[in-house]
Amino acid sequence: GIQVEQSPPDLILQEGANSTLRCNFSDSVNNLQWFHQNPWGQLINLFYIPSGTKQNGRLSATTVATERYSLLYISSSQTTDSGVYFCAVEQSSGSRLTFGEGTQLTVNP
Amino acid sequence: GAGVSQTPSNKVTEKGKYVELRCDPISGHTALYWYRQSLGQGPEFLIYFQGTGAADDSGLPNDRFFAVRPEGSVSTLKIQRTERGDSAVYLCASSFSGSYNEQFFGPGTRLTVL
Repeated sequence: GIQVEQSPPDLILQEGANSTLRCNFSDSVNNLQWFHQNPWGQLINLFYIPSGTKQNGRLSATTVATERYSLLYISSSQTTDSGVYFCAVEQSSGSRLTFGEGTQLTVNP
Repeated sequence: GAGVSQTPSNKVTEKGKYVELRCDPISGHTALYWYRQSLGQGPEFLIYFQGTGAADDSGLPNDRFFAVRPEGSVSTLKIQRTERGDSAVYLCASSFSGSYNEQFFGPGTRLTVL
């Protein structure tokens, strides 16, 4: 099956700092989503981005499908950004999402 | 409803017991998915429904796990003869119509098998 690798596994920032999270995948995909899992376990949709660039406030994402990677940018981080960020892909052969292991982000005041 | 809902939010059971977990998808979504998340890991796929039928059940770990969606809306995940290793958060997601559509997740059911 498809492999999804996220880096870094852990990231500690001071409030106000910027960061870039990376997702590499091993095969062509129909769909790529970024999620934020809050401390209560809820997966919050950030981006549906099989290709191209999207922005939503302080967050933006870019997927380069031909090179099989996606980047999530967080600018001017806030303590409420803390949590686990997951990248998930839908392989061309099916509907299921395959998740990476996540990036644990901690933003300190 | 406004989002995917799951009940119960928490379930504690004893080894060997039978449990049912319920998922209510976003209204109008024909595709429904079950995933399982163990501590410190990303969610893992269990089963996918398109309408009433299971289009892909290849993620179910063994025959103790079964899921139904009789009317194409609400789904129930059933686990027989629970084992301690079944303890995890069970997540449900729905999308408008399967492939190439964004999936939206419910809050999950935390299952603890003692």
